Amino acid sequence: EVQLVESGGGLVQPGGSLRLSCAASGFTFSDHFMDWVRQAPGKGLDWVGRIRKKANSYTTEYAASVKGRFTISRDDSKNSLFLQMNSLKTEDTAVYHCARWGDGNIYLYWGQGTLVTVSS
Amino acid sequence: DIVMTQTPLSSPVTLGQPASISCRSSQSLVHSDGNTYLSWLQQRPGQPPRLLIYKISNRFSGVPDRFSGSGAGTDFTLKISRVEAEDAGVYYCMQGIQYPITFGQGTRLEIK
Repeated sequence: EVQLVESGGGLVQPGGSLRLSCAASGFTFSDHFMDWVRQAPGKGLDWVGRIRKKANSYTTEYAASVKGRFTISRDDSKNSLFLQMNSLKTEDTAVYHCARWGDGNIYLYWGQGTLVTVSS
Repeated sequence: DIVMTQTPLSSPVTLGQPASISCRSSQSLVHSDGNTYLSWLQQRPGQPPRLLIYKISNRFSGVPDRFSGSGAGTDFTLKISRVEAEDAGVYYCMQGIQYPITFGQGTRLEIK
């Protein structure tokens, strides 16, 4: 069974940093592109960014709203995905989901998400 | 960025009746490989999104056949033939042809 389990969320002050993790199981993690998608409370889905697999040189893509502040990385040996968030703003408050990108340009699997609250 | 616009944003539907959600993209979603990367997701309260339909009209594994997708180019529709109580939630269309990946605003389906 495919599982994606996020952790690392919490309350942080504006300007602060936080590192989220996503533990993957039930599939060959290293074979897949992985994304972060967030959802502000009561709002819709907002794509954060992507990291490709080793065969694609682990290249990344980011939404304009987070570029330069957020960094996506992965550790295939530990089946883990990470999101380093710096210079956090109140508008970054959201549930952050990791999601597996699949053939057909679709999100096949999602984690339950971890809540990040940016507030003073 | 490709803007995805859904209508309606809220839809009250009686149990057993059909429901329809429209999605329009600001640019064609036809990829150079010939595929159209438009998908539909369902999000039940307190749950992460779940894939329903991909490439316009392909039902994902385990999705009931009362769900169907149609459309082409920039105009797409999700239909539920007979709404059931478990269909309550928010539905999103999504484009996967260009960065950034973008979603519609979501349509809340309320079961009467």
